[in-house]
Amino acid sequence: GQSLEQPSEVTAVEGAIVQINCTYQTSGFYGLSWYQQHDGGAPTFLSYNALDGLEETGRFSSFLSRSDSYGYLLLQELQMKDSASYFCAPGRGSYIPTFGRGTSLIVHP
Amino acid sequence: NAGVTQTPKFRVLKTGQSMTLLCAQDMNHEYMYWYRQDPGMGLRLIHYSVGEGTTAKGEVPDGYNVSRLKKQNFLLGLESAAPSQTSVYFCASSYEQVYEQYFGPGTRLTVT
Repeated sequence: GQSLEQPSEVTAVEGAIVQINCTYQTSGFYGLSWYQQHDGGAPTFLSYNALDGLEETGRFSSFLSRSDSYGYLLLQELQMKDSASYFCAPGRGSYIPTFGRGTSLIVHP
Repeated sequence: NAGVTQTPKFRVLKTGQSMTLLCAQDMNHEYMYWYRQDPGMGLRLIHYSVGEGTTAKGEVPDGYNVSRLKKQNFLLGLESAAPSQTSVYFCASSYEQVYEQYFGPGTRLTVT
C-alpha cells in the first residue's frame, strides 16, 4: 500500500521562505509530484521529481530523497496569492495515485 | 484548447436518485481519473482508466460505476445516491501514468 504524510497547516509572512515536507511509505515508488489548489478551485500541477535532488521552477523548488522516503516543496519570496493547499502525490510508475491530505499554507501580510 | 471539462458544475440529488457526471478532455490523453474531495480528506481516487474501453477501481469505488467508451470521455455514475456521496468530484487526465495530471473544474454534488 501507500501512505503520505504532510503537515496540515503552515503559516508564513509575505516575502518569507517556507518549506512543506512530505514523507511517504509505498512500494513501487518512482517519484513525487506537487500540486497547488486554491479554495474553490481545481488542483494544478507544480513540479515532479523523478530523481533525487532539487528541481527549481521560478520561486518554487522541490526536493526528493528516495533513500529517506522524503520530499519537500520550497516556496521563496512568498506572495499573498501563494495562500492555498499544497498536495504531494506519487509520480511515474504507480497506477494508483495517492494524494496526501494536503497542507494549507496561509500567507500573512 | 478547453483542457478538461466537467458537466454539470453543481447538482442536488435526493437519496436514491441516480445521475451521471461527464468528463471530457481534448488533449488526447490516455489516462483519466475520477476523484472525490471531502474536507480534511484530500483527494481520493474513485476509478481510473488507462485507455479507451478500460476501467479500474481506485481507493473508494463503492457506490460508483464508470465507463470510457470514447478516449476523450470518462463518465462517473451514481446508481443510488446516498448522503455520504455529498462531495466535490474532480476529473483528471494525463498523458503518462501519473506524471502531470490536468484537472477539471469540479462538480459540487449534494445528496439530501
